Amino acid sequence: GENVEQHPSTLSVQEGDSAVIKCTYSDSASNYFPWYKQELGKRPQLIIDIRSNVGEKKDQRIAVTLNKTAKHFSLHITETQPEDSAVYFCAASITSGNTGKLIFGQGTTLQVKP
Amino acid sequence: GAVVSQHPSWVICKSGTSVKIECRSLDFQATTMFWYRQFPKQSLMLMATSNEGSKATYEQGVEKDKFLINHASLTLSTLTVTSAHPEDSSFYICSAPLGQRQFFGPGTRLTVL
Repeated sequence: GENVEQHPSTLSVQEGDSAVIKCTYSDSASNYFPWYKQELGKRPQLIIDIRSNVGEKKDQRIAVTLNKTAKHFSLHITETQPEDSAVYFCAASITSGNTGKLIFGQGTTLQVKP
Repeated sequence: GAVVSQHPSWVICKSGTSVKIECRSLDFQATTMFWYRQFPKQSLMLMATSNEGSKATYEQGVEKDKFLINHASLTLSTLTVTSAHPEDSSFYICSAPLGQRQFFGPGTRLTVL
């Protein structure tokens, strides 16, 4: 089955700096890659996603890149703010029409220091 | 749109009792829902896929007789933790798909004494 590896497990940056989180997946059939932000005790919130027919997607300060050949994808957050502090999860899924099950990475705790 | 609710938000029970958790898609229908378990400072682990009108599909290592799933309608799935033990204490989260995206419920914190 699918396996998703995520690095780093913790990341501390200064406010205004960029943060990069990387994930690799094992199943080449995976075609949908979302990123979630989870604050303590709360539900995961979708922040950005990318499909396998796209190499890069950007939404304001957040961007995701996908390298299908290498089977890895990355989350980039620019101009970080203290409110970006949270746990971030990548996931991979094989979808056909409707959604398939998500396999999550281990998570990255991001701390943005003011 | 795409709101998913869960009930209860937290529950404390005695060892050996059963607990039912409800997951509802409030403004859309979902023939499939997913149940995850999350231990402190860990990732979300998929437990099972709930299918409306048919049996749930369980992930490897998840006991189907212990974690009973019923997808009663296109907007409701329930997870029953039977004969709960302290090691079942966890954060249980459901999700429902809308298109290719999945939307999560707020989670249920289960504590088994």
